[in-house]
Amino acid sequence: AQSVTQLGSHVSVSEGALVLLRCNYSSSVPPYLFWYVQYPNQGLQLLLKYTTGATLVKGINGFEAEFKKSETSFHLTKPSAHMSDAAEYFCAVSGSSGANNLFFGTGTRLTVIP
Amino acid sequence: SQTIHQWPATLVQPVGSPLSLECTVEGTSNPNLYWYRQAAGRGLQLLFYSVGIGQISSEVPQNLSASRPQDRQFILSSKKLLLSDSGFYLCAWSVQEETQYFGPGTRLLVL
Repeated sequence: AQSVTQLGSHVSVSEGALVLLRCNYSSSVPPYLFWYVQYPNQGLQLLLKYTTGATLVKGINGFEAEFKKSETSFHLTKPSAHMSDAAEYFCAVSGSSGANNLFFGTGTRLTVIP
Repeated sequence: SQTIHQWPATLVQPVGSPLSLECTVEGTSNPNLYWYRQAAGRGLQLLFYSVGIGQISSEVPQNLSASRPQDRQFILSSKKLLLSDSGFYLCAWSVQEETQYFGPGTRLLVL
């Protein structure tokens, strides 16, 4: 079975500061991992994903995430926060067995302070 | 390129009334289709998914149902809405590689 835990339902950072959003997963098969972003009253937009290969994954808008199997983590980072990064972020895991279903965390709301 | 549409964007319905939300995908064939609900302050809950016409899998027992009358059309329905059905409903599609792409969502308020 797959599950995701996102530590911190709310994170606040100053503009220009490092963004770190935490995600830990549980999976009985080699995981596929995803980060999505949701702006108010909109659908989810894919930021980045890890399937196989390089464990450091770069996504859109300057975000990146590193898959650490030993820590069962897939934390999302961005070196310098921008006001436009304020949104809700969701981590998700799916099994590579072909189940084609995603299991989402409960989300982290990022606030950027000017 | 592929696009996904959902309508209506916003809906206010009285308790006990029926519901029909529609999702359509363009630019791809035989996609997997999904309905999720996002309640206030909570994550996404998978309600239904479909791997083909007429094939529906339900993840959570409830008073909602789903249908897939055409390859790229996915409909979420209810005969009688409950207050607890309020939320943000998201449709998504994927093919093969498990990346799901989401529509703009429908905000449903049941009064």
